[in-house]
Amino acid sequence: AQSVTQLGSHVSVSEGALVLLRCNYSSSVPPYLFWYVQYPNQGLQLLLKYTTGATLVKGINGFEAEFKKSETSFHLTKPSAHMSDAAEYFCAVSETGGFKTIFGAGTRLFVKA
Amino acid sequence: DAGVTQSPTHLIKTRGQQVTLRCSPKSGHDTVSWYQQALGQGPQFIFQYYEEEERQRGNFPDRFSGHQFPNYSSELNVNALLLGDSALYLCASSSSKANTGELFFGEGSRLTVL
Repeated sequence: AQSVTQLGSHVSVSEGALVLLRCNYSSSVPPYLFWYVQYPNQGLQLLLKYTTGATLVKGINGFEAEFKKSETSFHLTKPSAHMSDAAEYFCAVSETGGFKTIFGAGTRLFVKA
Repeated sequence: DAGVTQSPTHLIKTRGQQVTLRCSPKSGHDTVSWYQQALGQGPQFIFQYYEEEERQRGNFPDRFSGHQFPNYSSELNVNALLLGDSALYLCASSSSKANTGELFFGEGSRLTVL
C-alpha cells in the first residue's frame, strides 16, 4: 500500500533563506510523486511532479524536488524564500498515472520578514 | 477555460441529515476524485469516478456515495451525517488520456455538521 510521511508539520524560515520540506514515501511499484500547495480557503495547486526520467524536477515559483529511490524520498526545496511562499504544502504519491493519489498530512511553511 | 467548480461553497447541516455536493470537472477531463480534508490534515481519498462508475474507493463507510453523469460532472452524497463529517470536501479532476496523475482541484465545499 502507498503511504506518504512529511517530516515536520510546521517549518519556519526567514525571507531569503533556503526552504526544505521533507517527504518520504512508500510504494510497491515505481511511484508518481507530487507536491501541491494550498493557500487559505483554497483548493490545492500542483507545484511539480515526477513521473519518469530526470530525477530533479523543477516546478512553479522557483521550487524543485529530487526523487531519490534509494532513500524513498522526494524533498522540496527553494533557494530563497519569499513572503508569498507562506502556505500549506502537501506531498503525494500515486502508483499509476490515473488512479488514486495519497496525500501526506502537510507541512505549513511560515516565512518571517 | 473554466477550472473545477464546486457547489455549494459552504453549508451547515445537523446530525442525521443528508447532503449532496456537486462538482464540474475542468474542460476536457473525464475522471473525478473526491477527497475529505479535516481541519489541519491532508486530503483523504474517498473515491474516484470514471466512465460513470466508481473505479476506486478509500476507507470510507457506505454512507458516502457518489455519482458521475454523462457530461463527467459528479455528485458526492453523505447520509446520516455525523459530527466527524465536518470537513472541507475537495473535488479533483484529471484526464485519463494524460496519464500523468496530475489532479486539478476545486476550491472545495466546507461542510459543518452541528
